[in-house]
Amino acid sequence: SYVLTQPPSVSVAPGQTAKITCEGNNIGAKIVHWYQQRPGQAPVLVVYDDGDRPSGIPERLSGSKSGNTATLTISRVEAGDEADYYCQVWDTSSLHRVFGGGTKLTVL
Amino acid sequence: EVQVMESGGGLVHPGGSLRLSCAASGFTFSSYEMNWVRQAPGKGLEWVSYIHSSGNFIHYADSVKGRFTVSRDNARNSVYLQMNSLRVEDTAIYYCAREDIPADGPFDYWGQGTLVTVSS
Repeated sequence: SYVLTQPPSVSVAPGQTAKITCEGNNIGAKIVHWYQQRPGQAPVLVVYDDGDRPSGIPERLSGSKSGNTATLTISRVEAGDEADYYCQVWDTSSLHRVFGGGTKLTVL
Repeated sequence: EVQVMESGGGLVHPGGSLRLSCAASGFTFSSYEMNWVRQAPGKGLEWVSYIHSSGNFIHYADSVKGRFTVSRDNARNSVYLQMNSLRVEDTAIYYCAREDIPADGPFDYWGQGTLVTVSS
């Protein structure tokens, strides 16, 4: 089955840039979506189709892909960005939806 | 306003059954694919099941295949998850999520989840 690998945690100071990676075999051929989940809340879509943002999501959040890695970049990090972030793709081989293991973003 | 709302969670013994419901509103339900996603306590998100807008195409995670059954009633704007032979490791918050059009679209709307606890 298809596997997406994320670092368990990323820490960044307020105002700095956080980069959360998501690795998967041939991920360049897949469409990647990103979700934010704050403690005790349901996940929220923050980036879809590799790099587009739903309405209401600040431009500070952006997505990109290079090689076997997709990246969620959060610029000018704020305390309110502290959350778990998950990448997700559709595995066309199994037709299963797949989530990465999640990355906890800590704002120092 | 798009809304999805899960119900039906609760405490069940190992080997027991439970049926979750997800009621949708604010969009043309019959046009959208739906998914169930779960999250065990302190763990990450795990995709559980997918059902096509027509109800004719269904997929399950290997961890639940043969035990869980997803269905939908487009007339009632609802999707269901019948869970049988429940195991302790099925304990989780179960989320219902709309999948945006077209295929391999994101999960753009999520419910608040319903807690399923499997314990003796």
